[in-house]
Amino acid sequence: DVKVTQSSRYLVKRTGEKVFLECVQDMDHENMFWYRQDPGLGLRLIYFSYDVKMKEKGDIPEGYSVSREKKERFSLILESASTNQTSMYLCASASGGANQPQHFGDGTRLSIL
Amino acid sequence: RKEVEQDPGPFNVPEGATVAFNCTYSNSASQSFFWYRQDCRKEPKLLMSVYSSGNEDGRFTAQLNRASQYISLLIRDSKLSDSATYLCVVNSNTGTASKLTFGTGTRLQVTL
Repeated sequence: DVKVTQSSRYLVKRTGEKVFLECVQDMDHENMFWYRQDPGLGLRLIYFSYDVKMKEKGDIPEGYSVSREKKERFSLILESASTNQTSMYLCASASGGANQPQHFGDGTRLSIL
Repeated sequence: RKEVEQDPGPFNVPEGATVAFNCTYSNSASQSFFWYRQDCRKEPKLLMSVYSSGNEDGRFTAQLNRASQYISLLIRDSKLSDSATYLCVVNSNTGTASKLTFGTGTRLQVTL
């Protein structure tokens, strides 16, 4: 079974803080993704990575950056957290090639005060 | 127009009923399709892929109509444990990675 592990289940931070969300997968997947999920808006793609040190912007990258130094780890960084970044953050991974489903971590519920 | 559209529901059905959800997508170049299930406050989990010829997995049947650009999910003999939100998901291959676009989900509540 694919295992995608997110570092925190719940996190509370203050406005202006730098926030790191970590994600690790154990299936040697090439592709990793960060989403946020908000009521009524569904899952929205923030960034994704198809290889080590490679990254591409998703649909809502503003206010976020990512890092993929190792194949198994994909980090999401909020450079200066704001209250509108309060959300559920979901990491996913998928093997390479077309038509591959994504496997999700448990999610991190982030609150910015 | 949203890339992937679903009726948000909720669909309230009695145990044992048959229920169907539809989903439409706007990108005619979309290549693969999935249904995910998401329980309250949990992560989405893959329910089934959707193949061009239609496919069945136990009580669940998925169908794809490329000409009309819609996908359907049929659940027969509903169980209480089927209560969840069902997400329609469409894959657009960017060339570098598979990019999934998610619908906002259809909520199903199965009752006694």
